[in-house]
Amino acid sequence: NAGVMQNPRHLVRRRGQEARLRCSPVKGHSHVYWYRQLPEEGLKFMVYLQKENIIDESGMPKERFSAEFPKEGPSILRIQQVVRGDSAAYFCASSSLGESYEQYFGPGTRLTVT
Amino acid sequence: AQSVAQPEDQVNVAEGNPLTVKCTYSVSGNPYLFWYVQYPNRGLQFLLKYITGDNLVKGSYGFEAEFNKSQTSFHLKKPSALVSDSALYFCAVRNLSPGANNLFFGTGTRLTVIP
Repeated sequence: NAGVMQNPRHLVRRRGQEARLRCSPVKGHSHVYWYRQLPEEGLKFMVYLQKENIIDESGMPKERFSAEFPKEGPSILRIQQVVRGDSAAYFCASSSLGESYEQYFGPGTRLTVT
Repeated sequence: AQSVAQPEDQVNVAEGNPLTVKCTYSVSGNPYLFWYVQYPNRGLQFLLKYITGDNLVKGSYGFEAEFNKSQTSFHLKKPSALVSDSALYFCAVRNLSPGANNLFFGTGTRLTVIP
């Protein structure tokens, strides 16, 4: 019973490059969330997606960041032209709405921008 | 708007003693409250939740939490701490805005259990 999978676990990018982070939800879950955690801080919500739809992107920076959850395949968080301030741990979570509301988290992708 | 506050950055407790990690919440309406634990370089693991029903919620690894509406608190407790409980603990509340489903997290409390 696989949980949320994220890859890569560690990603190093130079300033100006693109970063692509992938997330495969728990099998059967159709809701995906992306959160960002800066060192020694709590998680901050970025975006909430269902298959082929962005439901809530109120936590996404207005520029350079985008997310998708296609009909087939993993959810992708894409950061264009990365800057040092993008260095953080990015966590994906999934849930299945119903009587249970807890979100299951992946191990995270640690992005380092040099 | 919904939010949670964790007033203690750090909690130290001796092994075998009871532990409490504090959380207070601010919501308009009935809160959906959660506790998660994070070990170094790992994702968050779900411990327990309060949606409705009994104010005392039992969760994983012997943890429990008490929902107190009058004090707007949801403190995490364990009767006897283990060294392996040392980790970062996060309280969270579900966003109740229409169409939203994300969690708002507190800033975390680092628990250290001293052998």
